[in-house]
Amino acid sequence: DSGVTQTPKHLITATGQRVTLRCSPRSGDLSVYWYQQSLDQGLQFLIQYYNGEERAKGNILERFSAQQFPDLHSELNLSSLELGDSALYFCASSVDQPGEQFFGPGTRLTVL
Amino acid sequence: AQSVAQPEDQVNVAEGNPLTVKCTYSVSGNPYLFWYVQYPNRGLQFLLKYITGDNLVKGSYGFEAEFNKSQTSFHLKKPSALVSDSALYFCAVPTGANNLFFGTGTRLTVIP
Repeated sequence: DSGVTQTPKHLITATGQRVTLRCSPRSGDLSVYWYQQSLDQGLQFLIQYYNGEERAKGNILERFSAQQFPDLHSELNLSSLELGDSALYFCASSVDQPGEQFFGPGTRLTVL
Repeated sequence: AQSVAQPEDQVNVAEGNPLTVKCTYSVSGNPYLFWYVQYPNRGLQFLLKYITGDNLVKGSYGFEAEFNKSQTSFHLKKPSALVSDSALYFCAVPTGANNLFFGTGTRLTVIP
């Protein structure tokens, strides 16, 4: 158990809908990262927050947004969903050292 | 830009035999390099890291990795494979604000 929790575990929704994925980092970790894992694109970095502030952006679509709250949990919002958004979404946290990130179990999103 | 490449999508090895999962890197400056493992239906787990120092890095579950500067490689190794080692292995390098660039992954299958 990494100490990072993600909810929900599975999410099935329809095209055009909006969903919110939630992540609670390990106790004491200020950095939260979101990654998308899909068969055709592999594992891609989406966005990073550090202590409530956006720190880095990767291949995140404009339809997607995220935030980190004062209690350090984070939410990833996906809107106007398309079939191609079906993927595993991972959250990870760290104490802000390069590379040593602790991953949650992921949320599997299926868009029908 | 920092990147890594995993040239093999799939590696099969017999139980008890040594295994190698390959990774090459392209980084500017001194590289930080990481290996992660993903078991079925689980998040990624940190295996080991190279930052500086000894070229042979020891990690979790009996794995080790050899850093080779002249060949720009960071191959993952284990002297004797177990069936339970069957998983998806990712090489990674930090970019920018410590988010990770992952290789495409190598699926290791250990045959009983």
